[in-house]
Amino acid sequence: AQSVTQLGSHVSVSEGALVLLRCNYSSSVPPYLFWYVQYPNQGLQLLLKYTTGATLVKGINGFEAEFKKSETSFHLTKPSAHMSDAAEYFCAVSDRREYGNKLVFGAGTILRVKS
Amino acid sequence: DTAVSQTPKYLVTQMGNDKSIKCEQNLGHDTMYWYKQDSKKFLKIMFSYNNKELIINETVPNRFSPKSPDKAHLNLHINSLELGDSAVYFCASSQSGVDTQYFGPGTRLTVL
Repeated sequence: AQSVTQLGSHVSVSEGALVLLRCNYSSSVPPYLFWYVQYPNQGLQLLLKYTTGATLVKGINGFEAEFKKSETSFHLTKPSAHMSDAAEYFCAVSDRREYGNKLVFGAGTILRVKS
Repeated sequence: DTAVSQTPKYLVTQMGNDKSIKCEQNLGHDTMYWYKQDSKKFLKIMFSYNNKELIINETVPNRFSPKSPDKAHLNLHINSLELGDSAVYFCASSQSGVDTQYFGPGTRLTVL
């Protein structure tokens, strides 16, 4: 069975500081990995994903994540936080089915950006 | 145009009632999903349909019955609502062979 662990349910950074949100996964097969963002009272928006190929993936809003197989990690980073980045972030893993991939989510990390 | 839409956005009802949530996607996808987000924000898949056929059915009580009249619609009917059913329900869609799931805005269900 697949699982995701997000270290830190709350992360607080100052505006302009580095953002680092941690995600470790467990999967018996090569995984697909995702980061989604959820703003208050809204749905989930895809930030970025890893499927195959380059292990450093770039997403929207200046975010990027690196797939490290040896560490089973997929940490999300952004060099400089902006107030608009305040939201809840979810890491997810899925298997590689032809269709109907089941996303397994982590518990989420709330990012707070201080001015 | 909204890619994945859900109605209603909010649903407040009494225990024991039956209610439905509707989902429509205009992305031309052939696979749709229902996820439940509980009060602690934990997201868990409930069902998935591909071309109107049920392909994922997690351990969900029989009171929950998804129905897919066509590829663009996936509705969720809940019988005999219980307090524990209070949650936000998200619909999502994707295309076979493509991994990205697109989520709707969610339906917040409150059972009193």
